[in-house]
Amino acid sequence: EAGVTQSPTHLIKTRGQQATLRCSPISGHTSVYWYQQALGLGLQFLLWYDEGEERNRGNFPPRFSGRQFPNYSSELNVNALELEDSALYLCASSSFGEAFFGQGTRLTVV
Amino acid sequence: GESVGLHLPTLSVQEGDNSIINCAYSNSASDYFIWYKQESGKGPQFIIDIRSNMDKRQGQRVTVLLNKTVKHLSLQIAATQPGDSAVYFCAETQHNNDMRFGAGTRLTVKP
Repeated sequence: EAGVTQSPTHLIKTRGQQATLRCSPISGHTSVYWYQQALGLGLQFLLWYDEGEERNRGNFPPRFSGRQFPNYSSELNVNALELEDSALYLCASSSFGEAFFGQGTRLTVV
Repeated sequence: GESVGLHLPTLSVQEGDNSIINCAYSNSASDYFIWYKQESGKGPQFIIDIRSNMDKRQGQRVTVLLNKTVKHLSLQIAATQPGDSAVYFCAETQHNNDMRFGAGTRLTVKP
């Protein structure tokens, strides 16, 4: 069975541009979490989607947004990119318990 | 609880020693707790979990202890090996929803 997959693996953008990150959860999982992990730091909670709806949001500006599709895959959009948005973005999916993580998308803003 | 943008606390141990990594959680209603291990360049991987109706659970070389009175979780690693070097995160959930992570601890194993 396939695990959580994220694309792209690496993404390089210029300051001010927009980035779209994608996540496909494990089959049958309805919850998707997004986390930001800056180099050497812990996990910062971004967004939680469940059954197609945004359930909770972390302390991030509105230019961080996302959505969950009917097939439970998810997109994270970051508008007006800033240098400090450079980080590893991790997606996790869960269904009643343990969350499984993808390998992440490394976003670099130059 | 929810992690903050601080540099990770670190724990350095000698190979073969036991390691204890601690985590304070925030929600007294949390009923399911998980420890994750994150190696460099990879996503976090499940290590062991525990439900709130238990205070101890053992796996292979790892033990998780839960103290609900003081909202404290610990991960004990026996006979620590170089391959155990990683960042360890605790996570809490309530009714299987809204998983939140602790700040993480970087474990370094010295040969």
